[in-house]
Amino acid sequence: GAVVSQHPSRVICKSGTSVKIECRSLDFQATTMFWYRQFPKQSLMLMATSNEGSKATYEQGVEKDKFLINHASLTLSTLTVTSAHPEDSSFYICSAPRGGRGHLLNTGELFFGEGSRLTVL
Amino acid sequence: AQKVTQAQTEISVVEKEDVTLDCVYETRDTTYYLFWYKQPPSGELVFLIRRNSFDEQNEISGRYSWNFQKSTSSFNFTITASQVVDSAVYFCALSTGANSKLTFGKGITLSVRP
Repeated sequence: GAVVSQHPSRVICKSGTSVKIECRSLDFQATTMFWYRQFPKQSLMLMATSNEGSKATYEQGVEKDKFLINHASLTLSTLTVTSAHPEDSSFYICSAPRGGRGHLLNTGELFFGEGSRLTVL
Repeated sequence: AQKVTQAQTEISVVEKEDVTLDCVYETRDTTYYLFWYKQPPSGELVFLIRRNSFDEQNEISGRYSWNFQKSTSSFNFTITASQVVDSAVYFCALSTGANSKLTFGKGITLSVRP
């Protein structure tokens, strides 16, 4: 079964509203989670690294005020798309490494959530 | 900087054919991990394999096999006797250093026709 769960899987909203997407690790603690964005028929682009207990680290070109990330607990990270516009419509997917503090050398695998498809009208 | 190149964009085969998906990577790190993920139409990413840079042994898992060649910086994926259910987008990805951030290739859309 899934070890990383995202909610909602699909959301449609009006332009100007804010949308929150949750990413949960189900049977393990994740001090680090990653948020990716995927446009139709394109690859996944890393948006930011979510760190429990500290600020998220954003990739170059990603607006931190637009995409608010909160790593509230060891099993939950949220991505809030603020004042969404049609160009924010995309597939957002989170991932978490199981075991260790995000260091692949002592983790098993990197698990991905089911993804959340955002459509902004 | 690291980079993953999947030169093939779309491949179409008839069921039962073998198909190889190519992946070439670039990194200056000596320690790195390579991954293959499958993304079916439903959208979720399905983990297929992880290989570290110190293990060049090829791997076979059922109809799937992977050929890791450091000399050519390639990590190719072969599906033997393809099935319709193999139709999906396949991503090759690379991670280096002390983090789990992945750099993805652009993906290959595989269509297996009955």
